[in-house]
Amino acid sequence: GAGVSQSPSNKVTEKGKDVELRCDPISGHTALYWYRQSLGQGLEFLIYFQGNSAPDKSGLPSDRFSAERTGGSVSTLTIQRTQQEDSAVYLCASSRPAYEQYFGPGTRLTVT
Amino acid sequence: EDQVTQSPEALRLQEGESSSLNCSYTVSGLRGLFWYRQDPGKGPEFLFTLYSAGEEKEKERLKATLTKKESFLHITAPKPEDSATYLCAVLYNFNKFYFGSGTKLNVKP
Repeated sequence: GAGVSQSPSNKVTEKGKDVELRCDPISGHTALYWYRQSLGQGLEFLIYFQGNSAPDKSGLPSDRFSAERTGGSVSTLTIQRTQQEDSAVYLCASSRPAYEQYFGPGTRLTVT
Repeated sequence: EDQVTQSPEALRLQEGESSSLNCSYTVSGLRGLFWYRQDPGKGPEFLFTLYSAGEEKEKERLKATLTKKESFLHITAPKPEDSATYLCAVLYNFNKFYFGSGTKLNVKP
């Protein structure tokens, strides 16, 4: 079956612009996660959705970051007024609750 | 305070030279420990889930084990195609996963 998909695969933006990153989870997976991975680093947790609600937003680095999920499916991560330190690979994963996560290929964000 | 620590950070092996990667954790109330493989430019790929101390899982040349404080990923007679970064993650409370920083494995032919 289809895996987790993310778009765009690459995004180059100028400092100060807003960006939207999209994640399409595996059908039937109610849990959805966003992570950030800087070059050569581990995964930094950003936010977790169960259905359309986000019980844990503790990882969002600042109020410039927000995320939503609609219809228990697609999720969008929005970064406003991007900064150079936002440059990273943004990974989305989905799962059945408390089960293993399946990851998308990531979106590589470069802020110039 | 680190919840999950992986060692070594990097490991170079000759083809056929067996070794082990370590993942130690400090969280209590563990609901599961997960191993992933990540190739450059790709998202992590799920390998194993372990739920309780004493549990073991195997897949080809990989074997994962779990104690109350740590997990090991044993690699037997590795091949160059096993080269990747191996990540472990622990799950506890409210479906939040904590990832280690990974072990980058390089297997030379």
